[in-house]
Amino acid sequence: SQKIEQNSEALNIQEGKTATLTCNYTNYSPAYLQWYRQDPGRGPVFLLLIRENEKEKRKERLKVTFDTTLKQSLFHITASQPADSATYLCAHSNTGNQFYFGTGTSLTVIP
Amino acid sequence: DADVTQTPRNRITKTGKRIMLECSQTKGHDRMYWYRQDPGLGLRLIYYSFDVKDINKGEISDGYSVSRQAQAKFSLSLESAIPNQTALYFCATSDFPGGQETQYFGPGTRLLVL
Repeated sequence: SQKIEQNSEALNIQEGKTATLTCNYTNYSPAYLQWYRQDPGRGPVFLLLIRENEKEKRKERLKVTFDTTLKQSLFHITASQPADSATYLCAHSNTGNQFYFGTGTSLTVIP
Repeated sequence: DADVTQTPRNRITKTGKRIMLECSQTKGHDRMYWYRQDPGLGLRLIYYSFDVKDINKGEISDGYSVSRQAQAKFSLSLESAIPNQTALYFCATSDFPGGQETQYFGPGTRLLVL
C-alpha cells in the first residue's frame, strides 16, 4: 500500500526565515497531494492541493512543489511568523477512495 | 470546524464498556469518514461512507462499528472498549471541487479507556 513519509518530527526556525517541509511517497504517483495544518487539540485544516502535472502551486506565503521523479512534495512558508507554528500534514487520496496521511511535521517559529 | 461537529469532545470510559461517538455535518457532503490519531502514527482511517447506504472498512476497523443514520450523521461505536483504543478521534467530510477531494475535519473527541 502507499506510504506517506514526512521528514523530521520537529522543525524550529527563526521568525522571518523560510520553513521547508518534506513529504515523500513510496509507491505509485498520486494524482494529487494535499497539505493540511493542525493546531493542538483541533482537527486538520486544508491548505493547498497540487496535481501531479503541476510543478508548483502558491497561496499567499505558502508554496508547494511536486516532483514525481523524486516522489516528493515540498511545502514552503516564506517570511514565517510565530502564528505559523503548528503541525503540517501531507496527504493524498487514491482517486476518490481512501485518504492517506503522513505523521506530520511540527513547526515552531521562534520570535 | 463549526460545519462538522462531534460529541462528546472528551470521554472517559472503562474497559468493556460500549460507547458511541457522534458526528454531524451541515456542509451537505455525501462522504464522511472516521479517523483516529495517535502520537507517532498519524491519522488512520477506521471507516468511511460515501452515502447513507454505503459503508466501508478502513485500515483499522477491528473493534469498531459505524452507523450512517442520515446524510448529515455518522456515528462510531466501540463495542467493547479496550485501553489501546485511547486516542483522539476525528470525523471528516469531503467534497470534490473540480474532481479533487478535500477533507473537512471536526474538532475531535479525546477518548480515554481505563
